Amino acid sequence: DGGITQSPKYLFRKEGQNVTLSCEQNLNHDAMYWYRQDPGQGLRLIYYSQIVNDFQKGDIAEGYSVSREKKESFPLTVTSAQKNPTAFYLCASSILGRVLFFGEGSRLTVL
Amino acid sequence: SQQGEEDPQALSIQEGENATMNCSYKTSINNLQWYRQNSGRGLVHLILIRSNEREKHSGRLRVTLDTSKKSSSLLITASRAADTASYFCATDDSAYSGAGSYQLTFGKGTKLSVIP
Repeated sequence: DGGITQSPKYLFRKEGQNVTLSCEQNLNHDAMYWYRQDPGQGLRLIYYSQIVNDFQKGDIAEGYSVSREKKESFPLTVTSAQKNPTAFYLCASSILGRVLFFGEGSRLTVL
Repeated sequence: SQQGEEDPQALSIQEGENATMNCSYKTSINNLQWYRQNSGRGLVHLILIRSNEREKHSGRLRVTLDTSKKSSSLLITASRAADTASYFCATDDSAYSGAGSYQLTFGKGTKLSVIP
């Protein structure tokens, strides 16, 4: 089945640690996105990539980093510079200019 | 970037009733989309309406778009308990969308509860 797989579903981090969230898609989509969702805040764009080896910052990129070495993969690293990382993270992909397909999300909690 | 705003923030109705949610946005758009999110899950695309369309239907869903008022509405007819979810509108921001560039901006959502 085609789709987007995010892992892990739940992740706990101690303060000062970097963590990496995985996002893999087998839909052959060019574009991939990372959103952050906080209660009552809707979705906010962190980073997006339209093509391999290229990505752009979204509205809230500070404290996050990404890579796009393969078309299928777009991992997100939450660095220790992100002061309030506890949130629900959603990865999505699309054919440019079309609808987004989302993964099931990863919930990160800072202990 | 602009953000769509849904109204109301929360809506509670009885099964069988219709549910109407509204979305307002600030600048010109190419299209507007509606998504659904069950609690703790990813978003699922429901319907896309282009800026030159005024109304679109998909099963029990009806979406309208009024570009002069910069607003859209989502109507779910004959609601079911399984429709309980949050509903988000998303707009592409023409000001940010250039060649090869495409982003969607999401509102904060309407939380719909359908009581059996």
